Amino acid sequence: EAQVTQNPRYLITVTGKKLTVTCSQNMNHEYMSWYRQDPGLGLRQIYYSMNVEVTDKGDVPEGYKVSRKEKRNFPLILESPSPNQTSLYFCASSQRRTPYTYTFGSGTRLTVV
Amino acid sequence: SQQGEEDPQALSIQEGENATMNCSYKTSINNLQWYRQNSGRGLVHLILIRSNEREKHSGRLRVTLDTSKKSSSLLITASRAADTASYFCATDVNTGNQFYFGTGTSLTVIP
Repeated sequence: EAQVTQNPRYLITVTGKKLTVTCSQNMNHEYMSWYRQDPGLGLRQIYYSMNVEVTDKGDVPEGYKVSRKEKRNFPLILESPSPNQTSLYFCASSQRRTPYTYTFGSGTRLTVV
Repeated sequence: SQQGEEDPQALSIQEGENATMNCSYKTSINNLQWYRQNSGRGLVHLILIRSNEREKHSGRLRVTLDTSKKSSSLLITASRAADTASYFCATDVNTGNQFYFGTGTSLTVIP
């Protein structure tokens, strides 16, 4: 089944403790992206990647890192999480050719206390 | 920001009625898409309309696009309880590298 897999589904952590949210897709998509969703703010793009070793900032990249060493994986790293990073996170992927349509993961609900 | 805005923020209708939600955006686009999100889950792509199209149908969905007004509407006909979800429009601007999502319309269909 074609899908984007995120792990974990839920995560509660403490301020400052480094964490990684994994994202993997099995559709051979070139384009991958991370979003965070907050009430009243919709989805905001954190980082995106056009292909292996190519990443770029979205609208809200502060406090996050990403890497794209393999085509299928696009982990999101929070080096020193803070409470304002409490949010629902989504990974998404799409083919590179237009028009781009996203396939989303099921989401990771992160709480930073 | 290019982020679109959906209107209304929330909509409650009876099963069998039609639901209409609107999306406005700010700059020129390549295409506009609509996605559905069931509570807390990942978004699912519904339909795409290109900037040179004015109307598109898919099953019970009808999408219109007015580039002069920078707006789109999504019509769901003969709604069902299973249509209860949040609906988002998404645009990709001329560079095509970034998607911008609206703030969503929360639709409740009452059985």
